[in-house]
Amino acid sequence: DQQVKQNSPSLSVQEGRISILNCDYTNSMFDYFLWYKKYPAEGPTFLISISSIKDKNEDGRFTVFLNKSAKHLSLHIVPSQPGDSAVYFCAARITGANSKLTFGKGITLSVRP
Amino acid sequence: GAVVSQHPSRVICKSGTSVKIECRSLDFQATTMFWYRQFPKKSLMLMATSNEGSKATYEQGVEKDKFLINHASLTLSTLTVTSAHPEDSSFYICSARDGRVWDEQYFGPGTRLTVT
Repeated sequence: DQQVKQNSPSLSVQEGRISILNCDYTNSMFDYFLWYKKYPAEGPTFLISISSIKDKNEDGRFTVFLNKSAKHLSLHIVPSQPGDSAVYFCAARITGANSKLTFGKGITLSVRP
Repeated sequence: GAVVSQHPSRVICKSGTSVKIECRSLDFQATTMFWYRQFPKKSLMLMATSNEGSKATYEQGVEKDKFLINHASLTLSTLTVTSAHPEDSSFYICSARDGRVWDEQYFGPGTRLTVT
């Protein structure tokens, strides 16, 4: 049972445009959400996170939006750069549950120059 | 930021042999370490959670006798794949939790295991 879903396997955008990566979850107990960026043959690197008490968190070009009622979050990257091309994983956890993360399958983002 | 290393980065072994992968937190003490496995074009699957000085907690479907985890110190955890088979070939990633830093996990660079 996939508790964190990233239904689009890939996304291609033009450099300078906005990239919107979506993520849905089913477990209403999740209260903390994270986005990781991963290059091939490397471990994931933390990008941005959001607590369930917020609906938006912004860090430079990256903004994460959370819609708790819809159990949906999205990562916005603007403007997109070729160096942003990577696999992006959405992850969720229940605070206190030994920090165990549940990951989605990832979205491959390609930013065209 | 916090650094987690893995060794080796890539290993090829023959069927039936055992392989040990090390995960080290270089600049913080990791009370908890996690071991993940990633299949091609799939999500990271949590295999087990290890707390320093105690037995690892394995996820459902992960054979604890096949994937031996030792977390003997606050900076080192090891995963040993015993009697490896070709289907064990995968990308193994560890992460370490620094409890001082708002409960964040830091990931290692991963180990590519190929069993021939």
